[in-house]
Amino acid sequence: EVQLVESGGGLVQPGRSLRLSCAASGFIFDDFVMHWVRQVPGKGLEWVAGISWNGGSVGYADSVKGRFSISRENAKNSLFLQMDNLRPDDTAFYFCAKDNDQGVFDMWGQGTMVSVSS
Amino acid sequence: EIVMTQSPATLSMSPGERATLSCRASQSVSSNLAWYQQKPGQSPRLLIYGASTRATGIPARFSGSGSGTEFTLTITSLQSEDFAVYYCQQYIYWPLTFGGGTKVEIK
Repeated sequence: EVQLVESGGGLVQPGRSLRLSCAASGFIFDDFVMHWVRQVPGKGLEWVAGISWNGGSVGYADSVKGRFSISRENAKNSLFLQMDNLRPDDTAFYFCAKDNDQGVFDMWGQGTMVSVSS
Repeated sequence: EIVMTQSPATLSMSPGERATLSCRASQSVSSNLAWYQQKPGQSPRLLIYGASTRATGIPARFSGSGSGTEFTLTITSLQSEDFAVYYCQQYIYWPLTFGGGTKVEIK
């Protein structure tokens, strides 16, 4: 069974950092592009970042560029999102999502909540 | 960035009715368009990709159409489990972008 499990969310003060993790299982992790997508509770979906199978190519939404960094460790079937200089408007559920190699999110994790507040 | 616009924001329907949801792209995305369903407290689920191809396990009452800038998701004969929020997403260019969503609610 394909499974994505996020962890690392929590309450953090503005300007601080947080590192999210996503543990993947049930598929050949290093065959696929992976993404982070976020959702403010009660609002819509926003793509945050994506990373190629080997980490050689990454992309970010303008809203997080320069503050967030996506990475992966294929040997451990893990995806990461390093979030620095967090702002209150980064408060959201963060989902890890598998790409079907066309840019389509064909599998999602359950999400981890990040709250940025003083 | 390609802006995706969905309409209507809310659709009030009765079970058994046919629902038609629209999605418009600010520039052509060809057929690089996906639809997702999200129920309260759950992650999104892929319904349609390539504008009209149903994902694995998606019932035939869900169908997608369109290309270029105009797309439609049709749900024939709404079932109780279909009341949810639906999002479209373009994947021709990064940044990948979503529409604002259409909530299909029980009338």
